[in-house]
Amino acid sequence: EVQIVESGGGLAQPGGSLRLSCATSGFTFRAYEFNWVRQAPGKGLEWISYIGGSGGSIMYADSVRGRVTVSRDDATNSLYLDLNSLRPEDTAFYYCARATGGRLPFNYHNYYYMDVWGKGITVTVSS
Amino acid sequence: EIVLTQSPGTLSLSPGERVTLSCRASQSVTSSFLAWYQHKAGQTPRPLIYAASYRANGVPDRFSGSGSGTDFTLTISRLEPEDFAVYYCQYCSPSSPMTFGQGTRLEIK
Repeated sequence: EVQIVESGGGLAQPGGSLRLSCATSGFTFRAYEFNWVRQAPGKGLEWISYIGGSGGSIMYADSVRGRVTVSRDDATNSLYLDLNSLRPEDTAFYYCARATGGRLPFNYHNYYYMDVWGKGITVTVSS
Repeated sequence: EIVLTQSPGTLSLSPGERVTLSCRASQSVTSSFLAWYQHKAGQTPRPLIYAASYRANGVPDRFSGSGSGTDFTLTISRLEPEDFAVYYCQYCSPSSPMTFGQGTRLEIK
């Protein structure tokens, strides 16, 4: 069974740090790319980070760039998100999402979307 | 960065009705990178449509997607009670920021 399980969330002080982890199983981790998505209370989904295969390609949303570092460990099938200089507006439910892609059957165009999501984990930034 | 605008913000409908949700991009996008997700409170987002019109695994055929360029739609042909949720479109490409629309909430009337 394909599984993604986040951990490491909790309460942090403004200016503090947290490391979120994502444990995966049931698929060949190194063959996939991953994203972090969050949802603040009462808000919609917000993409915040992407990491490609072997960590060779990384992207961040403007809202977190410079404060967040994404990484992966293909040996342990794990994904990480280091959150630093935390702000109250970082309070959210954080999801780890696997991305999948390929070629469409008729026009051979590349497609890409987030096909498997973890259940998410809460991060609360408050003094 | 591509901005996706969904409309309407909220819809109140009854089971059995047909509904079309709109997603408009701030610039023309590659349709093969346009996806739709369903999100219920307390649950994991569920992929519904990828490449604008392809149903993800296990998605019932009452869900369909269409569109190109800047205008995309998600249609539910006949609403079931379990379809009431928030729906998000997303531009999902590994070479650019993967933005979500702000979501459309589908409520039971």
